[in-house]
Amino acid sequence: KNQVEQSPQSLIILEGKNCTLQCNYTVSPFSNLRWYKQDTGRGPVSLTIMTFSENTKSNGRYTATLDADTKQSSLHITASQLSDSASYICVVRENSGGYQKVTFGTGTKLQVIP
Amino acid sequence: EAQVTQNPRYLITVTGKKLTVTCSQNMNHEYMSWYRQDPGLGLRQIYYSMNVEATDKGDVPEGYKVSRKEKRNFPLILESPSPNQTSLYFCASAKNTGELFFGEGSRLTVL
Repeated sequence: KNQVEQSPQSLIILEGKNCTLQCNYTVSPFSNLRWYKQDTGRGPVSLTIMTFSENTKSNGRYTATLDADTKQSSLHITASQLSDSASYICVVRENSGGYQKVTFGTGTKLQVIP
Repeated sequence: EAQVTQNPRYLITVTGKKLTVTCSQNMNHEYMSWYRQDPGLGLRQIYYSMNVEATDKGDVPEGYKVSRKEKRNFPLILESPSPNQTSLYFCASAKNTGELFFGEGSRLTVL
């Protein structure tokens, strides 16, 4: 069964500090991996997409990496801000056609404190 | 503005009283889907639709129904709600890129 595991489950950091969130997956065959940000009480919003050939991609202070060989991805947040407090969800899509082949991680809840 | 709209946002109901949560998207997306989100379990897919009149079960379809008579609408129906359906529900739509666009969520409590 396809699985997506995220760590840590939760994280508290001081404003201005950096942090890295991890995502390990067993989804095969792999199509792409997305990181979503979910603010409390809101719907998730896509931050970035990683395809098989991409190792690193940045979106402002967010940098995602992908190692397709080890089936691992990370999301690095630089110079954290209070507005980064949210849950971050890793979503992996299987390369079998059709949108139904998507597996969600349970998310990492990040809290940035002053 | 491109968006997915769900209604109601909050609902408290009693066991067995039929309810419908509406979902509408204005992006002309073929794909639409419903998820429930529970603490520690993440997002779980209830039903999805690849296009009009094409629906299929997700991972947790028991106790739910859906219909897709128009491209923009994808209502979620609970014929006889039970307390274990108390949850936060999200509707989402997507086009070719596969990026899911989520609604704001509907928090349902079944007493």
